[in-house]
Amino acid sequence: EAAVTQSPRNKVAVTGGKVTLSCNQTNNHNNMYWYRQDTGHGLRLIHYSYGAGSTEKGDIPDGYKASRPSQENFSLILELATPSQTSVYFCASGGGQTEVFFGKGTRLTVV
Amino acid sequence: QQQVRQSSQSLTVWEGETAILNCSYENSAFDYFPWYQQFPGEGPALLIAIRSVSDKKEDGRFTIFFNKREKNLSLHIKDSQPGDSATYFCAASEASGSWQLIFGSGTQLTVMP
Repeated sequence: EAAVTQSPRNKVAVTGGKVTLSCNQTNNHNNMYWYRQDTGHGLRLIHYSYGAGSTEKGDIPDGYKASRPSQENFSLILELATPSQTSVYFCASGGGQTEVFFGKGTRLTVV
Repeated sequence: QQQVRQSSQSLTVWEGETAILNCSYENSAFDYFPWYQQFPGEGPALLIAIRSVSDKKEDGRFTIFFNKREKNLSLHIKDSQPGDSATYFCAASEASGSWQLIFGSGTQLTVMP
């Protein structure tokens, strides 16, 4: 069973603070992705990675950084959190075009 | 401009009816079209997918109809059940590059008992 685990599941952060969202996959997939989900927008790609040490910008990267220290782990970093970054964030891993598995999501509220 | 568009934000059907969810896309290079199902509090999960070389894909009660010339596709859910109530996302990707999925905005389906 493909497994993508996100932590924390819920987070409240203050404006201007630093937030790190973590993702771990046990699928041995090369590709990993960070999406955010907002009503009316579906899921939008923030950053993705082809493997350890690589990060690439997705469609909405502004205000976010990503880090892929290993095959299994992919983090999303908000250096200076803003209320507009309040959202639900999903991590996914993929071994090819047809295999993409999502985690359960992290609900982030920036106050 | 949205690359993948789902025309209905919400759809309500009665139990036993066929629910039809529509999707259209802009990029002719897209060649893989999955539909994801999402329940509240969960991540999206792959339901069924089709490649652009096919015009129909069936899996149990779920069928995708694909029209490459018109750049649109639809998901038919036959004999809808209350347990099918969820949000359905149409997505697309192209064979080159990172296989990143481009999602539509989703259709929230409610099946009334």
